[in-house]
This record gives sequence, structure tokens and C-alpha cells, in this order.
Amino acid sequence: RKEVEQDPGPFNVPEGATVAFNCTYSNSASQSFFWYRQDCRKEPKLLMSVYSSGNEDGRFTAQLNRASQYISLLIRDSKLSDSATYLCVVNNQAGTALIFGKGTTLSVSS
Amino acid sequence: DAGVIQSPRHEVTEMGQEVTLRCKPISGHNSLFWYRQTMMRGLELLIYFNNNVPIDDSGMPEDRFSAKMPNASFSTLKIQPSEPRDSAVYFCASRGQGANTGELFFGEGSRLTVL
Repeated sequence: RKEVEQDPGPFNVPEGATVAFNCTYSNSASQSFFWYRQDCRKEPKLLMSVYSSGNEDGRFTAQLNRASQYISLLIRDSKLSDSATYLCVVNNQAGTALIFGKGTTLSVSS
Repeated sequence: DAGVIQSPRHEVTEMGQEVTLRCKPISGHNSLFWYRQTMMRGLELLIYFNNNVPIDDSGMPEDRFSAKMPNASFSTLKIQPSEPRDSAVYFCASRGQGANTGELFFGEGSRLTVL
């Protein structure tokens, strides 16, 4: 089983739609979880951390389910500028480095 | 402030040639990471350094790959000899001490094509 698994998509949605991405991770000892965003031919950038109680940042909501080893990202009221690849990220066993999923591609159209 | 700086941005070389990728982390950051990204495998961690010391190189694919960090402001990733399957985008990232452990700052990447 891969350390971090994501549905690659692509998810094609109209502007204003709500879209959710899911991710599973294999290491039950992982303590830190994040979502990164990567635009086409650009470097990844941190979008948001994921906290145990769930957290929100504007239109973005992240949730963590430790029992199921599952992380989600919900985007409400999608904008054209949200088109990107979203990478699910988990820290490694030692807690010192980050392991990235292969990403889920989102395309928002007008 | 300058971000992570990588060079070259693009390199095209022939199989068997030596390739050296360079990285200058953000000043004051004490952790440095080398990742490789391909369509097939996504973003893979190759090696990371803490305070210039290699901590984990288990992601380095084989002996053809080596990385060094002679000082806090410079790191290299060398491939010798290169093979077509090494074609990928190589990212360097840095992280500050005590910072949010999730925030890595990536360079723009070095896109390597081995013919």
C-alpha cells in the first residue's frame, strides 16, 4: 500500500460548485497532515494544515479521521483560480520529513 | 526576500553524462530537502539534511545519485552517469527551525531531460 493515496481525478466542475477531495495514508503513527497546492509547471505551496478537530480557511475546509486514516479537503464556491493539483501530505515515521500523495487535479470552468 | 533558488532551471543531456543540480535554501533555514517529481510516481523524497548533515537518504534511487551540503547556503544533487529514466523535475525545499513542520518552501525546480 502506498504511503499516501489520492484519486488523481481530474475533477471538472463549474464555477460556484462545491468539490471534495479525499486521501488515505498508511502510517497510523503520522501526526501531521497538510494540503499543498501545485499549479501547472510550478512548485508546490502549502495550502493549509489539517487539525484533528477539522479546520476552515475561507472557502476551504480540511478534515481528519485518524481511525480511518483519512483526510479530506472541501472547496466551496469554486473559482477559476482554484484550478490546480491538490497534494495530500503526511509526515514520515520519524516526523521529520513530508510524504506527498500524487495529487488530485481540479479544473474549474466558467 | 529571496526564496529557494535552484539551478539550472532546465537541463537536457545525453545518457551517461554527469548532471549536477544546485540549490540555495532560504537564509536561516536549517533543513533542506531534495524531491523528484514525475507523472508516474508523483513527488518522491530523495534525501534531506538537517543542519547540513544528511539525515535520511533512503529515497535516493541508487548509487548513481549523490547529494552534498557543504554549508548552510548550498546543496548539490549529482547524477553520474545519468539515464533516461532519471528524467524528471527535481525540487529543492527548505524549512526553518521551529517553524510549522508542514511548511516547506520549494524552489522552482530543475527540469531534467536525459536523452
